[in-house]
Amino acid sequence: EPEVTQTPSHQVTQMGQEVILRCVPISNHLYFYWYRQILGQKVEFLVSFYNNEISEKSEIFDDQFSVERPDGSNFTLKIRSTKLEDSAMYFCASSVGGLAQETQYFGPGTRLLVL
Amino acid sequence: DQQVKQNSPSLSVQEGRISILNCDYTNSMFDYFLWYKKYPAEGPTFLISISSIKDKNEDGRFTVFLNKSAKHLSLHIVPSQPGDSAVYFCAASESSNTGKLIFGQGTTLQVKP
Repeated sequence: EPEVTQTPSHQVTQMGQEVILRCVPISNHLYFYWYRQILGQKVEFLVSFYNNEISEKSEIFDDQFSVERPDGSNFTLKIRSTKLEDSAMYFCASSVGGLAQETQYFGPGTRLLVL
Repeated sequence: DQQVKQNSPSLSVQEGRISILNCDYTNSMFDYFLWYKKYPAEGPTFLISISSIKDKNEDGRFTVFLNKSAKHLSLHIVPSQPGDSAVYFCAASESSNTGKLIFGQGTTLQVKP
């Protein structure tokens, strides 16, 4: 069964460093998402992406965040200058379409720890 | 911002009995609701969904009920099995937006053998 994959599974970085989290969505999916879950809190929407453009972004997704689909398979989330409060589990998701009824399939997540 | 709330952090039931997980929402623009299940070290997995034009959707042992006037939905699992032990997230979406899901805090279900 096709699945969303994410690398790395864990990332430890120093505050102020740049990190890139990578995702390989399901191959025939066209809509891509990043969510994050700070320990003990709810899963929060960060950004949706379609046709090489951001469709929607949350207030969390400020100028230090960016997303890119550099090739036909990868979808990346870059955090330019990490802060302590960026420590969280980051989930990538993808769906065939962008309607609410389209099931979003989540990857296993990348646990980011900023020291 | 508490648009979707799951007020019970945890629930424990005996195997074979019914599990009822509850979720409340405040945004009347939500018109699609989903339940996701999450095991440790895995991402959320889609379980079942319901559109606001319905009040019930059933899939095997899982049934979701929607009460729009009360802005409340619930997930029923009958019969509960030990493998159902996981964190259950309620999520909501507006069909007019870009698929953004708003999640509740999650309820940890433990099904005891």
